[in-house]
Amino acid sequence: DARVTQTPRDKVTEMGQEVTMRCQPILGHNTVFWYRQTMMQGLELLAYFRNRAPLDDSGMPKDRFSAEMPDATLATLKIQPSEPRDSAVYFCASGRDQGTQYFGPGTRLLVL
Amino acid sequence: KNQVEQSPQSLIILEGKNCTLQCNYTVSPFSNLRWYKQDTGRGPVSLTIMTFSENTKSNGRYTATLDADTKQSSLHITASQLSDSASYICVVSAGNDMRFGAGTRLTVKP
Repeated sequence: DARVTQTPRDKVTEMGQEVTMRCQPILGHNTVFWYRQTMMQGLELLAYFRNRAPLDDSGMPKDRFSAEMPDATLATLKIQPSEPRDSAVYFCASGRDQGTQYFGPGTRLLVL
Repeated sequence: KNQVEQSPQSLIILEGKNCTLQCNYTVSPFSNLRWYKQDTGRGPVSLTIMTFSENTKSNGRYTATLDADTKQSSLHITASQLSDSASYICVVSAGNDMRFGAGTRLTVKP
């Protein structure tokens, strides 16, 4: 039963610290998405990769956020420096082209 | 103003009853519309994906409809079960851009 995996599941850190979240997409999927979800804003698309190339990262604050796919089995989302307003659940999803997206369990981030 | 509006914001129904959730959008140009179910503390799960030419798509007890002319979609849940209690999110894509509804929180009571 193939699933998207994300690590860590929970992260508590202090303001100013670097945070790195990792995602392993489902094998064979060529699209990877990073989302953020908060109670106030709901779901937001941060970044989108196809065949490891970034297609859209307009939803991401570029001064502190960066998203990469070092290889087809790993996607990373980095926040440096983190701020309290970054506290949210960060989801990774993968899929094939415009097809169904499969979401991971999320990383719950709390920045104090 | 959000380009994807969902209604109602929340809904409580009795087990076994049917319900319909609404999604109106102004996103253009339209690529596809997706309905997701999200249980508390979990990631969203895809229910349906519809493109411009599709009017209806079913997934078990879930049936989504799309009227691309009026830019409206609905998600109908038949014979609701307690496990249908969740948030239902409508997402409309325009090329690489995605617009999200705020979701409808459905509670099914015994």
